[in-house]
Amino acid sequence: GAGVSQSPSNKVTEKGKDVELRCDPISGHTALYWYRQSLGQGLEFLIYFQGNSAPDKSGLPSDRFSAERTGGSVSTLTIQRTQQEDSAVYLCASSLGAGGRETQYFGPGTRLLVL
Amino acid sequence: GDSVTQMEGPVTLSEEAFLTINCTYTATGYPSLFWYVQYPGEGLQLLLKATKADDKGSNKGFEATYRKETTSFHLEKGSVQVSDSAVYFCALSDPSTNTGNQFYFGTGTSLTVIP
Repeated sequence: GAGVSQSPSNKVTEKGKDVELRCDPISGHTALYWYRQSLGQGLEFLIYFQGNSAPDKSGLPSDRFSAERTGGSVSTLTIQRTQQEDSAVYLCASSLGAGGRETQYFGPGTRLLVL
Repeated sequence: GDSVTQMEGPVTLSEEAFLTINCTYTATGYPSLFWYVQYPGEGLQLLLKATKADDKGSNKGFEATYRKETTSFHLEKGSVQVSDSAVYFCALSDPSTNTGNQFYFGTGTSLTVIP
């Protein structure tokens, strides 16, 4: 079946604009994660969704960042009033269940450049 | 808090050389440990994992043993191939803690294998 897909693959925006990044997880996967990968850095956890439970937002770096997951499937990460330091690759991953032992399947990422 | 420290790169090896990429971790509970690989132009994918002490994960000729006494999960391969050129990420999740759904990734180690 299809893997995790993300769109757009690349996004260039001007400082101060809002952007929306989309993630389509693997069908049937209840857990969904967003990460940020900055140049020369590891993956930084942003937010986690599991089924209908309240999301774990502890990794969001500021209140400019928010995410939703509609119907337990598609997720959208929104960055408001983008700053240059938001430039990074944003990765989405899904897993069959939660609990930290499940394999995560990653999408190809959205490369965001804020000018 | 939980964290992962992995060997800095980049690493350049000749084909058929022995590979070791070091990874050590800090965790408050009983973590699961993972190695993910990112081939050029592709998304991250699971290479291997181990969920308890003394477990050995293996895949595609790569191995890593979960060593609790040294808090390590070093990645090894006896004879690397050009096709192994990629970035390797060590990762941890700690299901026994409140942050059990979070994954902590190292900064990645870039490997280039030359013919």
